[in-house]
Amino acid sequence: DADVTQTPRNRITKTGKRIMLECSQTKGHDRMYWYRQDPGLGLRLIYYSFDVKDINKGEISDGYSVSRQAQAKFSLSLESAIPNQTALYFCATSDFEPGQGSSGELFFGEGSRLTVL
Amino acid sequence: QQPVQSPQAVILREGEDAVINCSSSKALYSVHWYRQKHGEAPVFLMILLKGGEQKGHEKISASFNEKKQQSSLYLTASQLSYSGTYFCGTESGYSTLTFGKGTMLLVSP
Repeated sequence: DADVTQTPRNRITKTGKRIMLECSQTKGHDRMYWYRQDPGLGLRLIYYSFDVKDINKGEISDGYSVSRQAQAKFSLSLESAIPNQTALYFCATSDFEPGQGSSGELFFGEGSRLTVL
Repeated sequence: QQPVQSPQAVILREGEDAVINCSSSKALYSVHWYRQKHGEAPVFLMILLKGGEQKGHEKISASFNEKKQQSSLYLTASQLSYSGTYFCGTESGYSTLTFGKGTMLLVSP
């Protein structure tokens, strides 16, 4: 089984629908992230969480919300989906250790491909 | 602000070398490199830290010029398995990565 699991892997929905993408991890990491990938634009950070009580906006958080239900679970919601939210979404965790000078290696889930019609 | 990667795409024959560059306008704590194959998730290659420490794959080499906020990834004696899109991620604060738009590498036989 994958260490970082995303569900659903593929989803087609209509404009205005509420969508939730779920992420669970077995790596025991405190830090979790949601990224969005569009062709030619790379990976852009939507939201991140450094522990259960900590939620932070990334560079493109408008139109999205998140919930950190437990250390292992981090969900991304689109309250009212629109076509330009069609993209590949990745959840990631990192093995941050104080004093190591970096946020640590990112471990990505397999991605959730969302299409909004 | 996203770091700038160059070139945007590279086509190599097996055994040839390539260099991928990453440049930021911000002071950096670290630079990360990832490779993504088509239809798959990005996979970690290397972290380069301020002060010169590196963590990552033994067969991949990279450099980090802290003063110029630039990093380069060196792919030597390329193999077919090196094909994919390479992303640099820069860390300039808040312990999150900002990724470049990627460099597509194709290695042909």
